[in-house]
Amino acid sequence: DVKVTQSSRYLVKRTGEKVFLECVQDMDHENMFWYRQDPGLGLRLIYFSYDVKMKEKGDIPEGYSVSREKKERFSLILESASTNQTSMYLCASSRDPEKLFFGSGTQLSVL
Amino acid sequence: AQSVAQPEDQVNVAEGNPLTVKCTYSVSGNPYLFWYVQYPNRGLQFLLKYITGDNLVKGSYGFEAEFNKSQTSFHLKKPSALVSDSALYFCAVRDVGNTGKLIFGQGTTLQVKP
Repeated sequence: DVKVTQSSRYLVKRTGEKVFLECVQDMDHENMFWYRQDPGLGLRLIYFSYDVKMKEKGDIPEGYSVSREKKERFSLILESASTNQTSMYLCASSRDPEKLFFGSGTQLSVL
Repeated sequence: AQSVAQPEDQVNVAEGNPLTVKCTYSVSGNPYLFWYVQYPNRGLQFLLKYITGDNLVKGSYGFEAEFNKSQTSFHLKKPSALVSDSALYFCAVRDVGNTGKLIFGQGTTLQVKP
């Protein structure tokens, strides 16, 4: 089975902190994605990557950056966390861009 | 621009009854459509997809979806609901104009009562 692992299930940070969310997949997938999930808004794409060291902006990239130094790892960075970034963050990977495998998510609270 | 809408925030059905979770889409060209499910405290899981061919698509856990081009709909269905089907369901469409990323609807909570 494909496994997508997100490093933290719950995270509490303070406003202004730099926050790293880590995601690792074990199936050698080329494609990796970061979404945020908010009630009533569904999933919104933050960034995605189709190869090592490659990144593309999604629909809501402002306030975020990403890093993909190795194929299996895709990191989401909040440069200076703000309260409106309190959300559930979901990482996904895929070989086929249509069938995504998701991690369990990180619930981030910014106080 | 591609988009997908789920008109119901919540659907309630009794166990054993048929269920339908609605989805409508807007795309230019042929749609690639998907359903994902999120069980409590778990990540999303792929249920099924429509690319081309038969309008009735079968997926995991006994779910199926019906593609209707004239109504631009892709409703998720199951003949007999189980309590364990209670979850959050997302419809998605592939954005063919932008490297194939998926665009998700806002989600519909399905509650199946015993």
